[in-house]
Amino acid sequence: SYVLTQPPSVSVAPGKTARITCGGNNIGSKSVHWYQQKPGQAPVLVIYYDSDRPSGIPERFSGSNSGNTATLTISRVEAGDEADYYCQVWDSSSDHPVVFGGGTKLTVL
Amino acid sequence: EVQLVESGGGLVQPGGSLRLSCAASGFTFSSYEMNWVRQAPGKGLEWVSYISSSGSTIYYADSVKGRFTISRDNAKNSLYLQMNSLRAEDTAVYYCAPSAAGGGFDYWGQGTLVTVSS
Repeated sequence: SYVLTQPPSVSVAPGKTARITCGGNNIGSKSVHWYQQKPGQAPVLVIYYDSDRPSGIPERFSGSNSGNTATLTISRVEAGDEADYYCQVWDSSSDHPVVFGGGTKLTVL
Repeated sequence: EVQLVESGGGLVQPGGSLRLSCAASGFTFSSYEMNWVRQAPGKGLEWVSYISSSGSTIYYADSVKGRFTISRDNAKNSLYLQMNSLRAEDTAVYYCAPSAAGGGFDYWGQGTLVTVSS
């Protein structure tokens, strides 16, 4: 089945830009969704369809997807952005259609 | 307002059974594909099962296939997960989530905790 690979952790200073990658075979041909999860809370969708933002998500959150890598970019990082981030795809060709990446812990220094 | 309320979690011994429920409101439940996603303590998100809007198509993760059964009652706006032959590794918070366009999940419940332990 399809595999998504994320770095376990990313660290960034406040005000800087954080980039979290999600690797998968020809992931650029799939729609990638990103979730933010803070301790004790349910995940929150922050990017869908590679680069669209749900209402209420700050413009600081953006996404891209090409080739074998999708990227979640968080600009002007704030302390409140510290969380776990997960990428996810829908693999329509599989009987295991929902695939999550392993998650990335974003630490704001 | 979309609401998803999971229930039925608790402490169960290895080999035991539980039935989880998800009560949905605020959207046309019968039109949406639904999923169960779980998260073991300190671990990442793991997809568990999918059911189409009519219930005619069902998928399971390999880790639960043959032990878990997903079902839905569109008249009651409810999703279910029957979990049998439970193992310690099934210990997790279980979330229900409708599939949005493109296969993402824009709404999540608060989750229900299942603990499998003797």
